Amino acid sequence: GENVEQHPSTLSVQEGDSAVIKCTYSDSASNYFPWYKQELGKRPQLIIDIRSNVGEKKDQRIAVTLNKTAKHFSLHITETQPEDSAVYFCAASRGGYSTLTFGKGTMLLVSP
Amino acid sequence: NAGVMQNPRHLVRRRGQEARLRCSPMKGHSHVYWYRQLPEEGLKFMVYLQKENIIDESGMPKERFSAEFPKEGPSILRIQQVVRGDSAAYFCASSPPGQDGTGELFFGEGSRLTVL
Repeated sequence: GENVEQHPSTLSVQEGDSAVIKCTYSDSASNYFPWYKQELGKRPQLIIDIRSNVGEKKDQRIAVTLNKTAKHFSLHITETQPEDSAVYFCAASRGGYSTLTFGKGTMLLVSP
Repeated sequence: NAGVMQNPRHLVRRRGQEARLRCSPMKGHSHVYWYRQLPEEGLKFMVYLQKENIIDESGMPKERFSAEFPKEGPSILRIQQVVRGDSAAYFCASSPPGQDGTGELFFGEGSRLTVL
């Protein structure tokens, strides 16, 4: 089955800095890569996703890049704000009846 | 449109008791997923169900755990004879029919099980 590795496990940045979280996956048939944000004690919520037919996608301060050859994808957050502090999960799926496999998460702490 | 509803939000059980966690998907959604989250670990897939069908239970422990999604009513994750290692947050998620596994999962707020 799919295996998703995520790094780093914790990331501390100063407000205004950029943050990058990286994930690798094992199943070359995976074609859908979402990112979820989970605030403390809350539900995970989708913040951005990318499919295998594109290499990059942006939404305001967040962007995701995908390298299918190397089987890795990354989340980029620019101009970080304290409210960005949360745990971020990457995931991968090959579609069909397959389910999302999540990474172990990255705790992002943005200090004012 | 109410989101995914899970109850109870918090459940305390003694070792050997049974735990029942309920999940009502978003209106119009027919796919339900259960994930378990342990401290400092990611979301581990347990089971994927559609109405009256278990599609994928590859993440379910072989013993003591079962899940159902009946024609009427919520999906239920049942844990028999709970042990301390079952203490975790259990998240339910749903997605609409026709989605091919490459779309957003809508998560509930989770049920936090504590086994004494």
